Amino acid sequence: KAGVTQTPRYLIKTRGQQVTLSCSPISGHRSVSWYQQTPGQGLQFLFEYFSETQRNKGNFPGRFSGRQFSNSRSEMNVSTLELGDSALYLCASSHGGSSYEQYFGPGTRLTVT
Amino acid sequence: KQEVTQIPAALSVPEGENLVLNCSFTDSAIYNLQWFRQDPGKGLTSLLLIQSSQREQTSGRLNASLDKSSGRSTLYIAASQPGDSATYLCAVIGGSNYQLIWGAGTKLIIKP
Repeated sequence: KAGVTQTPRYLIKTRGQQVTLSCSPISGHRSVSWYQQTPGQGLQFLFEYFSETQRNKGNFPGRFSGRQFSNSRSEMNVSTLELGDSALYLCASSHGGSSYEQYFGPGTRLTVT
Repeated sequence: KQEVTQIPAALSVPEGENLVLNCSFTDSAIYNLQWFRQDPGKGLTSLLLIQSSQREQTSGRLNASLDKSSGRSTLYIAASQPGDSATYLCAVIGGSNYQLIWGAGTKLIIKP
C-alpha cells in the first residue's frame, strides 16, 4: 500500500506570492490533516478535511486555506506569503474514525525569501 | 486546554542501553496517544498508537505505556542502536476536535 505523498518536496517563494501544496493520502483514508512545523513553534495544526469538508481548523490566519477533492486528495494554499511562513508543511492521513491513527507524508519544505 | 510535555528535551546514551522517554498531558480525556519518530529534515514515522482503553502497546524493541489517570505515557526502547537516533514526539487526540496536540519532542542520540 502506497504511503502519503506530498508534492512538491521543496519550494522557494518570494514574499507576497502565493503557493499551493498537494497531499495524496493512503488509499481508503478519508481524513487529511495539515500541520506546520518550525523550529520555534514546533508542530502546529492547520486544518483537517474529512470527506471534502473542513472538519477542524487551527489558529492560523485566513491566508491559509485548504480543500479536499472527491478522491480525498487535498491541497493547501497560502496567499500573500510572509517570511514567517517558512516551514516544513506536513500532511497526515487517517481513516477518520475514533482510533484516528495518523500517517504522515515526507513534508514540503517551503522557504520564503 | 490540553498541553503535552516531553522530558527530557535531549538525551545521549551509549549504544546497547535501555532507555525511557516520558510524555505527560494535562487533560486525561483523550481518545488515544501516538508516538512518532522524526529524522532530521524528514516527515514523521508512526511508532505506536495506544487507545485510551489500553495500557500498553509493543512493537519490536519498543514498548509504550499509558496511564490516563496520571496523565503520563512512557516509551521504552530496549537495547538501543545508533539507528534509533532521532527526535521522538508524542501526541494526543482528545476533546471535540480530532487534532493532534503535540509535545516538543525528545532528541535522542545513541553513541556507538
